[in-house]
Amino acid sequence: DAKTTQPPSMDCAEGRAANLPCNHSTISGNEYVYWYRQIHSQGPQYIIHGLKNNETNEMASLIITEDRKSSTLILPHATLRDTAVYYCLVNDYKLSFGAGTTVTVRA
Amino acid sequence: SAVISQKPSRDICQRGTSLTIQCQVDSQVTMMFWYRQQPGQSLTLIATANQGSEATYESGFVIDKFPISRPNLTFSTLTVSNMSPEDSSIYLCSVEIGQGSDYGYTFGSGTRLTVV
Repeated sequence: DAKTTQPPSMDCAEGRAANLPCNHSTISGNEYVYWYRQIHSQGPQYIIHGLKNNETNEMASLIITEDRKSSTLILPHATLRDTAVYYCLVNDYKLSFGAGTTVTVRA
Repeated sequence: SAVISQKPSRDICQRGTSLTIQCQVDSQVTMMFWYRQQPGQSLTLIATANQGSEATYESGFVIDKFPISRPNLTFSTLTVSNMSPEDSSIYLCSVEIGQGSDYGYTFGSGTRLTVV
């Protein structure tokens, strides 16, 4: 079973930042938080992951709360091509996918 | 990161037949995973395949229906046996990559199966 909960959907304006929340209140101390996205039923694409420190790469930023019970994925300047289903996952030696958040970026 | 080649990319099959899906990785990996994604749904893990041992199946999936082979560290197959229309799904393989803080997973592009 998925160990994370996410809102089912959200809209975002093109060019604006998109903030995607995720709750993982049962996360263990050595479990990483991963974010993937899936566009048009292609294979899931890796975005970013982290343990307890905030992380940033060319795609996004990941903010993890101090108690590690929740995190936020930030897409700094959303484009229409960022429209996808975004999955937040906790790694317990296998990835269990929840329903994810369907993000629609509107012009 | 590893590159996965998954074949076929799509197929339309008759009910009662079987389809074998191949997953080829460009580097040696210990663990390979097979997922199913039914229409409009999220991904569900079918089984974990380690080289040299029997695959470990998740609840609701059995070896007779989804036999898996893992002959070496770069290749695996998933067979969908005695297919019915309910087996129409996207099937994806995934492998673990990296170590330590760089540990993660990469996915193939999937096999879109339609059973008629």
